Amino acid sequence: DAKTTQPPSMDCAEGRAANLPCNHSTISGNEYVYWYRQIHSQGPQYIIHGLKNNETNEMASLIITEDRKSSTLILPHATLRDTAVYYCIVRVHHGSSNTGKLIFGQGTTLQVKP
Amino acid sequence: NAGVTQTPKFQVLKTGQSMTLQCAQDMNHEYMSWYRQDPGMGLRLIHYSVGAGITDQGEVPNGYNVSRSTTEDFPLRLLSAAPSQTSVYFCASSYEPPGRAGYTFGSGTRLTVV
Repeated sequence: DAKTTQPPSMDCAEGRAANLPCNHSTISGNEYVYWYRQIHSQGPQYIIHGLKNNETNEMASLIITEDRKSSTLILPHATLRDTAVYYCIVRVHHGSSNTGKLIFGQGTTLQVKP
Repeated sequence: NAGVTQTPKFQVLKTGQSMTLQCAQDMNHEYMSWYRQDPGMGLRLIHYSVGAGITDQGEVPNGYNVSRSTTEDFPLRLLSAAPSQTSVYFCASSYEPPGRAGYTFGSGTRLTVV
């Protein structure tokens, strides 16, 4: 699986958009970009994923560059409850020897401030 | 629909003891996996399974055994506990490929080996 690079920490003001970057310059054509977050010591929570098109759901938006070498997770109106560690992960879907592996990096600690 | 259930939530073992961490899911997911998370660190993959009867090693498999006799259950066995295995253990499951819901994580088992 391709490795990802994220900044170790970021701050965001409550009510503002939080933009979390992720570099995955060695991503392959069949690797998806996943975002998870972990609040305190809870189990990670799925946020969103995508292959090459931008994606949006009720939690966030995912913007993937045209060359797929980087992506940005956008939380449109950050709240204090969004304070968490955010993980960007790339993995292959069904049909390869890497099927099923989800390898976490160190993630970005997002601190939302009042 | 209980999701992913891990038991026990807390456990203290003496060095050399063996035990089994239980993980069960009721979503008919093909894929299940075990992670450990040490303080201040990201999650590291121990073992994973893409279906009943099929298991494979992750990043840190030494000292752990797994088996997958049913779709629902994926127990993790510590053969001879060591202090280095003190950690929080998370179980996760998903469809393969994960689809829109991604991976579902359990709430974790906090293990201390003394």
